[in-house]
Amino acid sequence: QSVLTQPPSVSGTPGQRVTISCSGRSSNIGSNYVYWYQQLPGTAPKLLIYGNSQRPSGVPDRFSGSKSGTSASLAISGLRSEDEGDYHCATWDDNLSGVVFGGGTKLTVL
Amino acid sequence: QITLKESGPTLVKPTQTLTLTCTFSGFSLSAGGVGVGWIRQPPGKALEWLALIYWDDDKAYSPSLQSRLTITKDTSENQVVLTMTNMDPADTATYYCAHPHAQYSAYFDYWGQGTLVTVSS
Repeated sequence: QSVLTQPPSVSGTPGQRVTISCSGRSSNIGSNYVYWYQQLPGTAPKLLIYGNSQRPSGVPDRFSGSKSGTSASLAISGLRSEDEGDYHCATWDDNLSGVVFGGGTKLTVL
Repeated sequence: QITLKESGPTLVKPTQTLTLTCTFSGFSLSAGGVGVGWIRQPPGKALEWLALIYWDDDKAYSPSLQSRLTITKDTSENQVVLTMTNMDPADTATYYCAHPHAQYSAYFDYWGQGTLVTVSS
């Protein structure tokens, strides 16, 4: 059971917009930055969003992140087949004094 | 250019101790604020954070695994070693090392390719 809660799966058709939620508590999302990682099939996770909503260099602006209270969201617009993979949220937990991850969300592009 | 690479056994027996090495380049663990973390992922399952070590030898461990984990650094060799005792088939996973961009955060900007460790007799 992961500390952060994500939907197990989401799906969409090419060109659509999808969102992935990440729910936590005051000790984690509520008081720390949220990060999102993209994991394409058979590869290591890759940083997608940092500081709740910032994109590293090279990440398309189709990807956007937001945070409100103890929840965060990742939005992907203009869905493409190459976006298929797993998406993980993560943050620091002050009570646990460590990193916590969500359970991961599998994105399927229909 | 920061790179990290994990190495260690691909197969361990139950009750044995696992020793994994992360060899990195592009940064130094003698520089202020720098660290290395370990994260694992059982097949088809979620990422799980294991441990962090920083330039000043400050360490952090997953509370649920703390009694079984030890993380150390060799600054001169640019390596970080993670040991996990009393391995169990449930510890079968791909183990990643990663570079944290900031202390006490989940901000991992560079990851190794991962190494799959299978626990089986």
